[in-house]
Parts: sequence; C-alpha cells; structure tokens
Amino acid sequence: DIQMTQSPSTLSASVGDRVTITCRASQSISNWLAWYQQKPGKAPKLLIYKASSLESGVPSRFSGSGSGTQFTLTISSLQPDDFATYYCQQYNTYSRTFGQGTEVEIK
Amino acid sequence: EVQLLESGGGLVQPGGSLRLSCAAFGFAFRSNAMSWVRQAPGKGLEWVSGISDSGGSTFYIDSVKGRFTISRDNFKSTLYLQMDSLRAEDTAVYYCARSWGALDVWGQGTTVTVSS
Repeated sequence: DIQMTQSPSTLSASVGDRVTITCRASQSISNWLAWYQQKPGKAPKLLIYKASSLESGVPSRFSGSGSGTQFTLTISSLQPDDFATYYCQQYNTYSRTFGQGTEVEIK
Repeated sequence: EVQLLESGGGLVQPGGSLRLSCAAFGFAFRSNAMSWVRQAPGKGLEWVSGISDSGGSTFYIDSVKGRFTISRDNFKSTLYLQMDSLRAEDTAVYYCARSWGALDVWGQGTTVTVSS
C-alpha cells in the first residue's frame, strides 16, 4: 500500500499568515491527490482534487501543487474559519490512503 | 440538494454484525462510484471500501477483507456496508462518500461501537 506522510502534524498560525502543509507519498501517484478540511464533529470537505484543481465553492486562498511524490497545500492568508485539520489522500491505486492529518491551530 | 444520509450504526458486541446504509439524494446515484471511510475516536481518516457505479467491482482495505461487504441498490439509490465478525478496532464513525477518487460529497456519519 502507498503510505502518505504529512508534515507538520500540528501547525500554529495567526490570522493573515501564509500556511503550507506538505504531503509525501511513498511512491509516485502522478497527480492523483486530494486535500480535505475537517472540523471537529463534522464530515470532511473536499478542497482540492488532482493535486491542484480547486473544488467548486472553495475560496481561492486555498491552492495545491505538486506531482509524483511531493505535494503541498497552501492557504495564502489564513482566515478564522480555516482553523481545522487537513488531510491529503491518494487515489492512484485501488486501495486509497489518507495522510495522518495536520491540525492548524490558533497561535 | 445533493445529500448522503447514513444509518444503521450502534453498539454491538465483539464478533457481532451490523449493516450500515447510506441513502443518496439529489444526484444520479447509479452513475457514481461510492466509498466508505471511517474515523476511530481521536484518530485520522481511513478509507475502508469502494464500489463501482454498477456494483461489479469492489475493493477493501486488508483489515476488513473477508469480514465487510460493500453493496449497492441503484434502484433505491442506497449504498450498504455489511460488517461481520466485528472487532474492537472497528469502533469508529463511518462515513459514506461519493466517488472512489476525490470524495466530493460526504454523509454526516454513523457511529459504530464494538464493545462487550
């Protein structure tokens, strides 16, 4: 199975900060990568698909990049609504796998 | 409105069975692959199983192979997860989600607790 490793596990930031989360795959997944946001007690929400495509309705301050084994999610200017946990997920192989998550907390 | 509504969770003893259901509304269910994803208490997301739009192809993570069965009824627009031989480590919130790739629509989740 492909392992997905996110860094950091926790990130402390302030409103207005530029935030970057990294996701590394244990083998190449081309650009078959998605990013999700999850708030406590809620279902995850799709933000980015195919590594860099913004899901409809998601604010443009969210962006994704990368291919192969290295990917990033960037929030250009952190807003109060963005404090949450973020997950990457690969869908290159039949068995999909998620990263362990990155919690973005208020500094 | 595009919506997924799960049901069927509950408390079950180790070795027991449960069947989860996920009713789909507002989109062409028969044209979409579907997935089940779970989240153990305080843990991250884990993709569990997926099924093609026709139901002809199914996939599972190794830890549930032979114990869980995913299926669908396209006439009822409903997805199922039959869970047998349940273990304590299966305790989680179970979400159904649209697609088998990037999961663009999620249900609210149903809680499964395996405990004696």
